[in-house]
Amino acid sequence: NAGVTQTPKFQVLKTGQSMTLQCAQDMNHNSMYWYRQDPGMGLRLIYYSASEGTTDKGEVPNGYNVSRLNKREFSLRLESAAPSQTSVYFCASSVLDTYEQYFGPGTRLTVT
Amino acid sequence: GNSVTQMEGPVTLSEEAFLTINCTYTATGYPSLFWYVQYPGEGLQLLLKATKADDKGSNKGFEATYRKETTSFHLEKGSVQVSDSAVYFCALSTSGAGSYQLTFGKGTKLSVIP
Repeated sequence: NAGVTQTPKFQVLKTGQSMTLQCAQDMNHNSMYWYRQDPGMGLRLIYYSASEGTTDKGEVPNGYNVSRLNKREFSLRLESAAPSQTSVYFCASSVLDTYEQYFGPGTRLTVT
Repeated sequence: GNSVTQMEGPVTLSEEAFLTINCTYTATGYPSLFWYVQYPGEGLQLLLKATKADDKGSNKGFEATYRKETTSFHLEKGSVQVSDSAVYFCALSTSGAGSYQLTFGKGTKLSVIP
């Protein structure tokens, strides 16, 4: 039981490049989330998917898109990366009717 | 809207010292409250939770009591160890329209020295 896995662990992009961050969970959870973590800012929600087939914006969605590919997988796409998107990105999942979220190990992204 | 305020860090303590990290919240409705811990280089792990007023969450020697009258959920541990060095996040969640979003505080970095 791997829990929540994220790939890649590290990534360096140039401004304007695109990439997709992958997230998968094997706990049969309904809900999945993408956060970014910046120094002194805590975690901020980018997008979430309450259940398969639905996605909604969080606090800081601009510059990102998401896809809930199936119940297990939830990807985050940066279409045209900007230096302001340099951050650590965390994926999380939860059972629909509880609030406890389980987090992946994170992806450290640097945009130059 | 919902918000969480926790004490600024970093906090440095000697081993076996008493720990308190303050957390207060603003929320509509009746939130559930959480403490998450992030060890260096890792994702967040749930440390403890409380889902209603006067509940006490506890785990690994840490505890926190949901105080509705003071809108607080302070984290305490009687005797910290070097292995407790981490960043601690207070968070709350309210339900509504199928949304189960967490609102986090900014985190408090704890360093425990031998």
